[in-house]
Amino acid sequence: GAVVSQHPSWVICKSGTSVKIECRSLDFQATTMFWYRQFPKQSLMLMATSNEGSKATYEQGVEKDKFLINHASLTLSTLTVTSAHPEDSSFYICSAYLPRGQGAQNTEAFFGQGTRLTVV
Amino acid sequence: ELKVEQNPLFLSMQEGKNYTIYCNYSTTSDRLYWYRQDPGKSLESLFVLLSNGAVKQEGRLMASLDTKARLSTLHITAAVHDLSATYFCAVDIWRAQKLVFGQGTRLTINP
Repeated sequence: GAVVSQHPSWVICKSGTSVKIECRSLDFQATTMFWYRQFPKQSLMLMATSNEGSKATYEQGVEKDKFLINHASLTLSTLTVTSAHPEDSSFYICSAYLPRGQGAQNTEAFFGQGTRLTVV
Repeated sequence: ELKVEQNPLFLSMQEGKNYTIYCNYSTTSDRLYWYRQDPGKSLESLFVLLSNGAVKQEGRLMASLDTKARLSTLHITAAVHDLSATYFCAVDIWRAQKLVFGQGTRLTINP
């Protein structure tokens, strides 16, 4: 079964509104989670690293005020797209590392199911 | 800056044929991953390669890693239509647990 759960799987919102995406690690604690963005027919681009109990680390070119990340607990990270615009429409995917010995033979990244955001 | 390059980016092949996808990366890394992505879906983990010379096989897919050449390959044997998908390799930035992805290889297997 999935070790990382992402919700919702798809969302349609109006321009100017905000959308929150949740990423949960199931049955293990994830002090660090990662948020990726994927445009159609392109690869995954890391947006930010979410750290439990501290501020997220954003990759160059990612607007921290637009993509708010909160890692309130060891099993939950949220990404809020604020004042969404059509150009924010994309597939957003979170991931977390399952530490070695906790169900994985080696430290391995597992991915959520992804959230398809459409801003109209 | 770590760069990961895959080739080919597009591959159309007939069932029953063999082919190889290549993944080159630019700097020393901790580990290399191969993922499969179906349209509209997230990533499915295929292989984790940890050391030079590592070879892993699952069904018709076999992955290998040459850390000296900074090269990984994903070999497909006797392809079947169900293997049609986009395949990504990804490399860890050393100890940062941040993955850098290749561009992806879109594989289409025709009956």
